[in-house]
Amino acid sequence: GQQLNQSPQSMFIQEGEDVSMNCTSSSIFNTWLWYKQDPGEGPVLLIALYKAGELTSNGRLTAQFGTTRKDSFLNISASIPSDVGIYFCAGQLRNFGAGKSTFGDGTTLTVKP
Amino acid sequence: DSGVTQTPKHLITATGQRVTLRCSPRSGDLSVYWYQQSLDQGLQFLIQYYNGEERAKGNILERFSAQQFPDLHSELNLSSLELGDSALYFCASNRRGEGYTFGSGTRLTVV
Repeated sequence: GQQLNQSPQSMFIQEGEDVSMNCTSSSIFNTWLWYKQDPGEGPVLLIALYKAGELTSNGRLTAQFGTTRKDSFLNISASIPSDVGIYFCAGQLRNFGAGKSTFGDGTTLTVKP
Repeated sequence: DSGVTQTPKHLITATGQRVTLRCSPRSGDLSVYWYQQSLDQGLQFLIQYYNGEERAKGNILERFSAQQFPDLHSELNLSSLELGDSALYFCASNRRGEGYTFGSGTRLTVV
């Protein structure tokens, strides 16, 4: 089945630093999604990418849909303490009635004030 | 409030018991997905329903079953519970081609 490799597994950074994480797949996806999960809560969708090469921003977050359609990247600029959490990438195929996402294992981000 | 409602929020039960977790999807969403997240683990896909029909199955144990009702709410039934079944169980819903909206989860503790 499809598998996503998300890296790094964890990051410990200082407040104000920029963060980069990525996700790679052995197969092609039509849609890439990035979620953030706060402790004890469900993941929340941050950014959705629908086209190869697409670059989308959401505040201090920027994500890119890789040109090969097998990878995606998420950058967080000028990190703040509330950025702490687990970030998941997910790939999705746009089949009729399906839309099941395959999730990466997550990147746990710790921000030191 | 994400629009996806999960109940109960917490559940503590003994080994060997059976429990039912309930999910109401966001209004207008036909697909419902169930995921299991154990401590410090990722999201393990269990099962997907679309408009009442099972659409995709992941690593769901035979002791677990689910269904989606005509009003589109879904229930996940977990039976013969073991200690290792303790986890957060998330329900998510979406419309075709969109990302998921997750509920806040049910934390199951088996003692």
